[in-house]
Amino acid sequence: SYVLTQPPSVSVAPGQTARITCGGNDIGGKGVHWYQQKPGQAPVLVVYDDSDRPSGIPERFSGSNSGNTATLTINRIEAGDEADYYCQVWETTSDHPHVVFGGGTRLTVL
Amino acid sequence: EVQLVESGGGLVKPGGSLRLSCAASGFAFSTYAMHWVRQAPGKGLEWVSYISTRSSYMYYADSLKGRFTISRDNAKNSLYLQMNSLRVEDTAVYYCARDVPMVRGGDLDFWGQGTLVAVSS
Repeated sequence: SYVLTQPPSVSVAPGQTARITCGGNDIGGKGVHWYQQKPGQAPVLVVYDDSDRPSGIPERFSGSNSGNTATLTINRIEAGDEADYYCQVWETTSDHPHVVFGGGTRLTVL
Repeated sequence: EVQLVESGGGLVKPGGSLRLSCAASGFAFSTYAMHWVRQAPGKGLEWVSYISTRSSYMYYADSLKGRFTISRDNAKNSLYLQMNSLRVEDTAVYYCARDVPMVRGGDLDFWGQGTLVAVSS
């Protein structure tokens, strides 16, 4: 089955840039979506279709996707960005389509 | 305002059954496919199941091995998950989420707050 690999943790100082990667075989051919989840809350979509932002998501959040790696970039990190981040794709090449999530990355603001 | 409200969670013994519900409001429920996603305590997100708008297509995670059944009632704006033969490892918060289809694979744009299912003897 298709596997998405994320680093377990990323630490960044306030004001700096955080980059969270999501690795998968030829992931550049798939639409990648990113979710932010704070403790005790439901996930929130922050980037969809590789690089688009839903209404209400700050421009500091952006994404890219090419080859075997997709990346979520968060500029000018704030304390409120501390959360778990998950990437997600659809796997449609098998005989039964299914959704795949990465293992999640804990973003710590130093 | 889009709202998804899950219910039906609780404590159940191994081998037991539960039926989760998700009440949708604030959007045209019948025009959106829906998902169930779960999260075990301290763990990541795990996709459970998908159902298309008219229930023509239903997909499940391989790990469920036919124990769960997704369904919907568009007249009642409701999504359901029937869970049978529950195991300790099914303990999790279960979320319902709305699907947005895209050419290269859709996203889950709105999520409910979740309902906790605890399987324990």
